[in-house]
Amino acid sequence: EVQLVESGGGLVQPGGSLRLSCAASGFTFSDHYMDWVRQAPGKGLEWVGRTRNKANSYTTEYAASVKGRFTISRDDSKNSLYLQMNSLKTEDTAVYYCARDRRSGSYWGAFDIWGQGTMVTVSS
Amino acid sequence: DIQMTQSPSSLSASVGDRVTITCQASQDISNYLNWYQQKPGKAPKLLIYDASNLETGVPSRFSGSGSGTDFTFTISSLQPEDIATYYCQQYDNLPQGFGGGTKVEIK
Repeated sequence: EVQLVESGGGLVQPGGSLRLSCAASGFTFSDHYMDWVRQAPGKGLEWVGRTRNKANSYTTEYAASVKGRFTISRDDSKNSLYLQMNSLKTEDTAVYYCARDRRSGSYWGAFDIWGQGTMVTVSS
Repeated sequence: DIQMTQSPSSLSASVGDRVTITCQASQDISNYLNWYQQKPGKAPKLLIYDASNLETGVPSRFSGSGSGTDFTFTISSLQPEDIATYYCQQYDNLPQGFGGGTKVEIK
């Protein structure tokens, strides 16, 4: 079964750090671009960032709201995606989803597989 | 950044009704538009990609159309299991922005 499973969410104080993980199974993880999308409570979806695949040098892109604070990485040997979040703000409170780009090998822009999400709460 | 404006923000319709949601991009995005369905407490699900292509396994009552800046998503005959929030998303440019969502309810 093709699936993504996030972990690592929790309660953290403003200014703190947290690392989210996303474990992939059932497909060739290394071939796909992978993204993070978040959703604040009662709000819409917000794209957070992306890591490209090895063929595209694992380059990353970020939303302006998280650039310089968040870092996306991946370990293809472990079929895992990560989101390191530093200098957290209350407005980062959200459910964080990892999502797979639909195309194997290059970019499409459609997210066809999503994890179940992990909640991050930034509060004192 | 490209802004995606969805309307309406919510709607109420009867089972069997035809439901239409629109999404307008702030600039030409060709057909680089997807539609997602999100049920309460669940992750989004891809329904339509490239503006009009139905994702594998998605019922044919769902459809999409449009290009450039104006797009439409249609449910031809609303079913009780279609209660959800629907989002458009552009992927012409980063950041891949989403519309604000349309919450669909049963009347």
